[in-house]
Amino acid sequence: SAVISQKPSRDICQRGTSLTIQCQVDSQVTMMFWYRQQPGQSLTLIATANQGSEATYESGFVIDKFPISRPNLTFSTLTVSNMSPEDSSIYLCSVVESFYEQYFGPGTRLTVT
Amino acid sequence: AQKITQTQPGMFVQEKEAVTLDCTYDTSDQSYGLFWYKQPSSGEMIFLIYQGSYDEQNATEGRYSLNFQKARKSANLVISASQLGDSAMYFCAMREVTGANSKLTFGKGITLSVRP
Repeated sequence: SAVISQKPSRDICQRGTSLTIQCQVDSQVTMMFWYRQQPGQSLTLIATANQGSEATYESGFVIDKFPISRPNLTFSTLTVSNMSPEDSSIYLCSVVESFYEQYFGPGTRLTVT
Repeated sequence: AQKITQTQPGMFVQEKEAVTLDCTYDTSDQSYGLFWYKQPSSGEMIFLIYQGSYDEQNATEGRYSLNFQKARKSANLVISASQLGDSAMYFCAMREVTGANSKLTFGKGITLSVRP
């Protein structure tokens, strides 16, 4: 299975600032996703990170708030912009290797004060 | 309509005993996949087991097995010989094949606590 790393693993940020989360995969993957998990909640898909083109956002998520880059098949970044306490969550990068194989990175635990 | 339902608020099991975590799903697709993930307090999502809608046998992976009842649309996870390290959140998820849609939809999760 793909090995996925994320940086940073956790951070505490001031409201109004931005944080960029990096996701690195040890193999080339076509499909890469970003998820958010608010405290005590399930996972919610933010967007599909498309290589070489704009990300595809889910309902309720917009590019201005969560810009995503995917410069190649092994790397992606998610920026959480103009943060508020409601953005305090775990952010998870995920890759699909086949229909029955989807793996997640270790997550970035973000606290906004 | 909710696609994945996990209604058990929290489960407790004695170490070395077996436990069943419930999951029901809703889909009109004939082809779909069901997944279970474990999330310890560290936050990572660990893939446990997969069941395809056309699989005739229940999936097994070590101490994990999936009790798949297609007609009832249920995919319960059975953990045998529970260990203290099994204490975590457990999420059921489904991937449908509808056009280009290949997203995982997650249930709300179940907290499992293993007692020594």
